[in-house]
Amino acid sequence: KNEVEQSPQNLTAQEGEFITINCSYSVGISALHWLQQHPGGGIVSLFMLSSGKKKHGRLIATINIQEKHSSLHITASHPRDSAVYICAVRTGNQFYFGTGTSLTVIP
Amino acid sequence: GAVVSQHPSWVICKSGTSVKIECRSLDFQATTMFWYRQFPKQSLMLMATSNEGSKATYEQGVEKDKFLINHASLTLSTLTVTSAHPEDSSFYICSAGSGGHTDTQYFGPGTRLTVL
Repeated sequence: KNEVEQSPQNLTAQEGEFITINCSYSVGISALHWLQQHPGGGIVSLFMLSSGKKKHGRLIATINIQEKHSSLHITASHPRDSAVYICAVRTGNQFYFGTGTSLTVIP
Repeated sequence: GAVVSQHPSWVICKSGTSVKIECRSLDFQATTMFWYRQFPKQSLMLMATSNEGSKATYEQGVEKDKFLINHASLTLSTLTVTSAHPEDSSFYICSAGSGGHTDTQYFGPGTRLTVL
């Protein structure tokens, strides 16, 4: 069993739709990261969370420590949001990664 | 914001040669750096944790003699793939943080290694 589970694995949305990507984990964590990986491989760190909620532009990330669950929301999705979104959790110096959610936003 | 660079971004080498990949934190001091690899269509896999001035800590299954990591300064870590084989072809990514269990990690853009 993976320490980090993401859903869905693949997601196709129409431009403008509200998108939610979920991440559940089974280990005690000190922080959770949401990463974005565009075709070609470059990775951008979107959020680091240890509690509550963070917002940056059209992106919102929430985490529920008791339920060991985090969500990444994209409002008013755009084709440039098409990427793989990866959830990663950190416990000490150990990172565990989800398998990623491949998002395609169609114009 | 903080920037982490990697060099080279893309390298092709012959089987049996060694390849060095650099990871630099450009505007902050990184007490810890992490190296990951990613096979096609798979998620990231942590290879090792390097701390400035001390030996790297390798994850289970990662050969320390094959993947040499050096973190000689607070802004530079290097990963050397020794005697590279085609199965080492992968995307190698580093991340750097300033230390502590909840510090923000900044990811490098990655290095794509192809071994012929």
